[in-house]
Amino acid sequence: EVQLVESGGGLVQPGGSLRLSCSASGFTFSSYAMHWVRQAPGKGLEYVSAIRSNGGSTYYADSVKGRFTISRDNSKNTLYLQMSSLRAEDTAVYYCVKGDRSHFDYWGQGTLVTVSS
Amino acid sequence: QSALTQPASVSGSPGQSITISCTGTSSDVGSYNLVSWYQQNPGKAPKLMIYEVSKRPSGVSNRFSGSKSGNTASLTISGLQAEDEADYYCCSYAGSTTNWVFGGGTKLTVL
Repeated sequence: EVQLVESGGGLVQPGGSLRLSCSASGFTFSSYAMHWVRQAPGKGLEYVSAIRSNGGSTYYADSVKGRFTISRDNSKNTLYLQMSSLRAEDTAVYYCVKGDRSHFDYWGQGTLVTVSS
Repeated sequence: QSALTQPASVSGSPGQSITISCTGTSSDVGSYNLVSWYQQNPGKAPKLMIYEVSKRPSGVSNRFSGSKSGNTASLTISGLQAEDEADYYCCSYAGSTTNWVFGGGTKLTVL
């Protein structure tokens, strides 16, 4: 059974930093691209970032480019999202998502990040 | 990175059929057969319902179907059931620069 478990969310002040982690199991983690998708309270889904299976290529939405860094440790089956210079508009539930070429087939339960003073 | 356009809400009675549209551009929906649909219940993670425009993952009811014409994709739910009440999001690949883009979401109410 595929499982994606996010952790690391919480309350952080504007301008602060936070690192999200996603522990994966139930599939060959090193064979799949992984993604982060976020959802602000009461809002829709927003695509944030992606990393290829070998970590060799990454993608960032314009809204987070230069502030967020995605990475992965295939030896630990873990995906990361390092977030810095956080803003109020980054407040959202962040989902770790497994990619399967043409779609997102498994989603974690999400971790809430709240940026507020 | 504009979101795909979906109606904010749709409704239908049990047993009826409804269709949710998802309008993009020639740079996303119109260029790739890589449209997927996700169902999200309150407080839960999204669930894949349709991928590659019209394919259903194992375990998803055949009451759910997808199609595409030009820059608009559609999700049709036939034989509406109370359990179908949820938010639905479309998603399309938009090329290597933009990568993936989501629709704004549609709230389905089963009357």
